[in-house]
Amino acid sequence: AQKVTQAQTEISVVEKEDVTLDCVYETRDTTYYLFWYKQPPSGELVFLIRRNSFDEQNEISGRYSWNFQKSTSSFNFTITASQVVDSAVYFCALSDYNAGNNRKLIWGLGTSLAVNP
Amino acid sequence: KAGVTQTPRYLIKTRGQQVTLSCSPISGHRSVSWYQQTPGQGLQFLFEYFSETQRNKGNFPGRFSGRQFSNSRSEMNVSTLELGDSALYLCASSLASFNEQFFGPGTRLTVL
Repeated sequence: AQKVTQAQTEISVVEKEDVTLDCVYETRDTTYYLFWYKQPPSGELVFLIRRNSFDEQNEISGRYSWNFQKSTSSFNFTITASQVVDSAVYFCALSDYNAGNNRKLIWGLGTSLAVNP
Repeated sequence: KAGVTQTPRYLIKTRGQQVTLSCSPISGHRSVSWYQQTPGQGLQFLFEYFSETQRNKGNFPGRFSGRQFSNSRSEMNVSTLELGDSALYLCASSLASFNEQFFGPGTRLTVL
């Protein structure tokens, strides 16, 4: 069965600190997608990144970076020089890549990040 | 470009009633997915519609159903409401299944 584990329920940091949010997944599929979404206090989920299982290159987007390691089934997310506006709940998710129907998107329970001034 | 809209934003119902939630996707998006979000269970995938057909389905009882219209607007129906159905119901649209999804603000359903 597929599963996504975000072991860190809550993280609190001071502004300008770097912070890494962990995501560990389980799947028997060889082809799959991994996602990160952000849910700010306003409530609307915002897409951050999608990565397919064949692309293990790390991704950097501004202060955000992602480290995908198939060997450890992890897809960790790092925020460099955190800011108060980064305060949100961050979700990691996994979907399979079946050509037919019955695909599913499995979500972790989220990590609540508080960035304090 | 208008975002995903969901109506109503808040609903209060009693056990045994039924409810219909509506979602209008971003123009041009043919995939609409529905999720239930609760503090205890997190985000759980309900189903996905693509071009008026249910393409994917999560592990929810048959009381949860949906449909999609030719203009890609989607409705979700929950019959015989239970207290445990109280949740935030989120709708997301995308160009294709499980691509970058754009979420609406959600409908907060409270079952008394």
